[in-house]
Amino acid sequence: SQQGEEDPQALSIQEGENATMNCSYKTSINNLQWYRQNSGRGLVHLILIRSNEREKHSGRLRVTLDTSKKSSSLLITASRAADTASYFCATDDTGFQKLVFGTGTRLLVSP
Amino acid sequence: SAVISQKPSRDICQRGTSLTIQCQVDSQVTMMFWYRQQPGQSLTLIATANQGSEATYESGFVIDKFPISRPNLTFSTLTVSNMSPEDSSIYLCSVAGSRGGYTFGSGTRLTVV
Repeated sequence: SQQGEEDPQALSIQEGENATMNCSYKTSINNLQWYRQNSGRGLVHLILIRSNEREKHSGRLRVTLDTSKKSSSLLITASRAADTASYFCATDDTGFQKLVFGTGTRLLVSP
Repeated sequence: SAVISQKPSRDICQRGTSLTIQCQVDSQVTMMFWYRQQPGQSLTLIATANQGSEATYESGFVIDKFPISRPNLTFSTLTVSNMSPEDSSIYLCSVAGSRGGYTFGSGTRLTVV
């Protein structure tokens, strides 16, 4: 399978703490994306980082990409209860225009 | 970004029957993607649907089981045929967004009994 791996599988933190999720993938990529899924519903696109970028920020989100290690991390700072969701990384394989999703991290933020 | 309306949001079906899932996009798009998410799992691409041509299926998925229609640039359907309990999953459609990300429908939660 080409599916990426994410760790941890589950993460439980308190409001105000930071949450870090890691993603590893297997192939060359055009870009890597992070998505959030609430309660098994549709996915929401959070952020995209291109293969020639190393770090990107969007609000409370910080994404890093290390193509030499085929890995990425998503940091959510000052977490809120509303951040409780599953988070998936997804790679857009070079030239194929289709997403390959990681295994996901379930984040629980307690008030 | 495009907005996708996906129906039904959930259904409970008898084994051996078929269910057709619809996705309507509020803008014209070339490619639509169909995914399956088995309970507690990640998403797996079923097929890519282009208007005017046969859908392209991923390894492990076949047209007889998951026929797809793409009659125009804003609409697509996925049918889950001859269902068994193993088909119980969330099915999602998706289109490419304006900034490289993808927009997803709200998903169809299918339970086969």
